[in-house]
Amino acid sequence: GIQVEQSPPDLILQEGANSTLRCNFSDSVNNLQWFHQNPWGQLINLFYIPSGTKQNGRLSATTVATERYSLLYISSSQTTDSGVYFCADRGNTPLVFGKGTRLSVIA
Amino acid sequence: DGGITQSPKYLFRKEGQNVTLSCEQNLNHDAMYWYRQDPGQGLRLIYYSQIVNDFQKGDIAEGYSVSREKKESFPLTVTSAQKNPTAFYLCASSMGDSGGYTFGSGTRLTVV
Repeated sequence: GIQVEQSPPDLILQEGANSTLRCNFSDSVNNLQWFHQNPWGQLINLFYIPSGTKQNGRLSATTVATERYSLLYISSSQTTDSGVYFCADRGNTPLVFGKGTRLSVIA
Repeated sequence: DGGITQSPKYLFRKEGQNVTLSCEQNLNHDAMYWYRQDPGQGLRLIYYSQIVNDFQKGDIAEGYSVSREKKESFPLTVTSAQKNPTAFYLCASSMGDSGGYTFGSGTRLTVV
């Protein structure tokens, strides 16, 4: 089945800094989604982005399907951005998740 | 507001007991899913259902069972055959295979 690799595994930022999270896939991209898991465990769908670029406030995402990767950009980070960011994609089965990037934003 | 409701938030199970986790959605989504999350890990698929009265095993179905008698509901039973059930369980739904997923707030199960 599809394999999903995320990098970096951990990231510590000073408030106000920018960051880029990466997701690589072993197979063609079908249904790529980015999620944020807050410290209480709730998973929020940030982007549904099988290709192209989308922006939502300080967050944006780009997927290059032909090269099997996606990037999540966080600009002017805030402490509320802390948590774990997951990317996921679907092969012939439901979404397969990476192991996540744990982001800590320090005031 | 539409969404997914999981209950209870916290659940304690004694050795040898079966427990059932509830998942209800009012989004009119066709597909529903159960994932398990262990500390520091990603999500692993337990079971999924794409239509009422039908469901398929995921990667780690052993020791679990599900039913899908109504479109809105997809309960998960953790049986005594599941040897390491302590984990965070997340339910999700989507409009078909290719839709965005919406997650519930999770149930944290602990064996005592």
